[in-house]
Amino acid sequence: AQKITQTQPGMFVQEKEAVTLDCTYDTSDQSYGLFWYKQPSSGEMIFLIYQGSYDEQNATEGRYSLNFQKARKSANLVISASQLGDSAMYFCAMRDSYSGAGSYQLTFGKGTKLSVIP
Amino acid sequence: EAGVVQSPRYKIIEKKQPVAFWCNPISGHNTLYWYRQNLGQGPELLIRYENEEAVDDSQLPKDRFSAERLKGVDSTLKIQPAELGDSAVYLCASSFYSSGELFFGEGSRLTVL
Repeated sequence: AQKITQTQPGMFVQEKEAVTLDCTYDTSDQSYGLFWYKQPSSGEMIFLIYQGSYDEQNATEGRYSLNFQKARKSANLVISASQLGDSAMYFCAMRDSYSGAGSYQLTFGKGTKLSVIP
Repeated sequence: EAGVVQSPRYKIIEKKQPVAFWCNPISGHNTLYWYRQNLGQGPELLIRYENEEAVDDSQLPKDRFSAERLKGVDSTLKIQPAELGDSAVYLCASSFYSSGELFFGEGSRLTVL
């Protein structure tokens, strides 16, 4: 069984500062993928960044980077130069191994609410 | 390109009433997911379709929930009868086979009184 743990229910960050959102995971699979999604108050889940278990480099997408530490089973999201529009819920999720015809499902953590302070 | 479309966005019903949610995935996406998100929690998978086949419905409460995906495109999720504990946001998502990304709709927020 897979498990995603996000230990920070809420975080505050000053505008223009960097912030790290924690995520640890538990899986017995060798091949897996880790995702971060942003959910603003509108409700839509917005994909931010992806890290494959065999990727040697940490993933980066603009102001987002993923600090992947495989031995510690952690996949923390780093947001640099925070903006007011970054205020939202952030979810860490893990993709299981491919099964059947090749599709998969995501298992989500409970999320972290980020508030950016002007 | 249009994203995942869900309707209705909001629904308020009394307990024991039926309710249905509709989802139109991104064109060409063969895999469709229904997730339920309770307040303050992450989404939890209810059912996953590959084309018109339900390949994972282990978390779907089959006594009151049903889903269908006719012709492998649009999907409908139904609850009958609804209970107070069904109040949640129901999220639909779609993906292509080899894609590493699920695309989500804006969700349907259900309130059961």
